[in-house]
Amino acid sequence: DQQVKQNSPSLSVQEGRISILNCDYTNSMFDYFLWYKKYPAEGPTFLISISSIKDKNEDGRFTVFLNKSAKHLSLHIVPSQPGDSAVYFCAARRRGSSNTGKLIFGQGTTLQVKP
Amino acid sequence: DAGVIQSPRHEVTEMGQEVTLRCKPISGHNSLFWYRQTMMRGLELLIYFNNNVPIDDSGMPEDRFSAKMPNASFSTLKIQPSEPRDSAVYFCASSFWGVTEAFFGQGTRLTVV
Repeated sequence: DQQVKQNSPSLSVQEGRISILNCDYTNSMFDYFLWYKKYPAEGPTFLISISSIKDKNEDGRFTVFLNKSAKHLSLHIVPSQPGDSAVYFCAARRRGSSNTGKLIFGQGTTLQVKP
Repeated sequence: DAGVIQSPRHEVTEMGQEVTLRCKPISGHNSLFWYRQTMMRGLELLIYFNNNVPIDDSGMPEDRFSAKMPNASFSTLKIQPSEPRDSAVYFCASSFWGVTEAFFGQGTRLTVV
């Protein structure tokens, strides 16, 4: 059973427009959420995170929104750039495991930003 | 810092053969994670170590999989015997104890034919 789900395998947007990547989770014990970005032939790199006590976290062009009642989070990229083309993974950490770093990842969404 | 170093980058082996994947974590990091990436399930945590001690191996799919961390700078993931369904990209990641944002290596693409 997939506790963290990214239901859209791929997304294509035009340069300069907004990219919205979505993630749903089923476990109400998750208290910390992260987004990782992965380029081909490279490992995932940390992008942005949000604690369950917040509903929004912003870092430059990247904003993550958390809707706890819907068990849903999203990553907004504005404006999108061709260099943002990558696979984006949503990940969650379970409450009580903050000292372990153990994460549950989604399947990933491939973003393509067209020039 | 060179980051997390994995070897080999690519491995092609025949079914039934033993495969050993290697990882050198970032110096000073005391948590190490092994992940497997597949199209269907994304990134799955296989096992993780803290201070060289295996803490949780519940993600290891079968007894064919084993992992060791003999010292703070080296870990191996072994598959014996390998099967075609083991074909995937295997990532190693490391972090400081208690820090959730881990650093990943470039991965090893394993193909079992």
